[in-house]
Amino acid sequence: DQQVKQNSPSLSVQEGRISILNCDYTNSMFDYFLWYKKYPAEGPTFLISISSIKDKNEDGRFTVFLNKSAKHLSLHIVPSQPGDSAVYFCAAWNQGGKLIFGQGTELSVKP
Amino acid sequence: GAVVSQHPSWVICKSGTSVKIECRSLDFQATTMFWYRQFPKQSLMLMATSNEGSKATYEQGVEKDKFLINHASLTLSTLTVTSAHPEDSSFYICSAAGRTLNTEAFFGQGTRLTVV
Repeated sequence: DQQVKQNSPSLSVQEGRISILNCDYTNSMFDYFLWYKKYPAEGPTFLISISSIKDKNEDGRFTVFLNKSAKHLSLHIVPSQPGDSAVYFCAAWNQGGKLIFGQGTELSVKP
Repeated sequence: GAVVSQHPSWVICKSGTSVKIECRSLDFQATTMFWYRQFPKQSLMLMATSNEGSKATYEQGVEKDKFLINHASLTLSTLTVTSAHPEDSSFYICSAAGRTLNTEAFFGQGTRLTVV
């Protein structure tokens, strides 16, 4: 039962353009969402989060949008840089206090 | 962000031996620590949740006698893989969170375990 889903395993974007990473969830009780960036053989690094009381949170080049009615969130990176190339995970806290991850999307930003 | 240190970063061990992985939160009190396992090209699979001073809660399908978790203090949790077998070879990652539920969880660097 995949409660947090990232349906795109990979995404390729040109440097300078916008990267949009998508995430869907099934449990309407989730109320706090996070995005992590991960390089191979390293632990995930926290990027940005959003509470369900908001629909947008921005931090520099990173913006997360939340659409509660659609149970969908997205991470926008603009402008994209080659150093952004990594695997991005969407995650949500469940009511049991566990952080549930999506499958990840591998972003490749080409110069 | 907060710092979580995981040690060792990689380890090779023989089949049948045990390996201990340490996870320390360096600058905050981690009331809850999580242990994940990641297979190549896959998501992070939650293995267990440990709260300081109490027994760990294991996810379905995770053998608690094989993966021993101890969370003796607010800054240290350990995962011991007992009687390791080649199929236990994987990337293990710990995560630490503070008292507030809806907050960021911070991750260690991960441990690459190879059992030969």
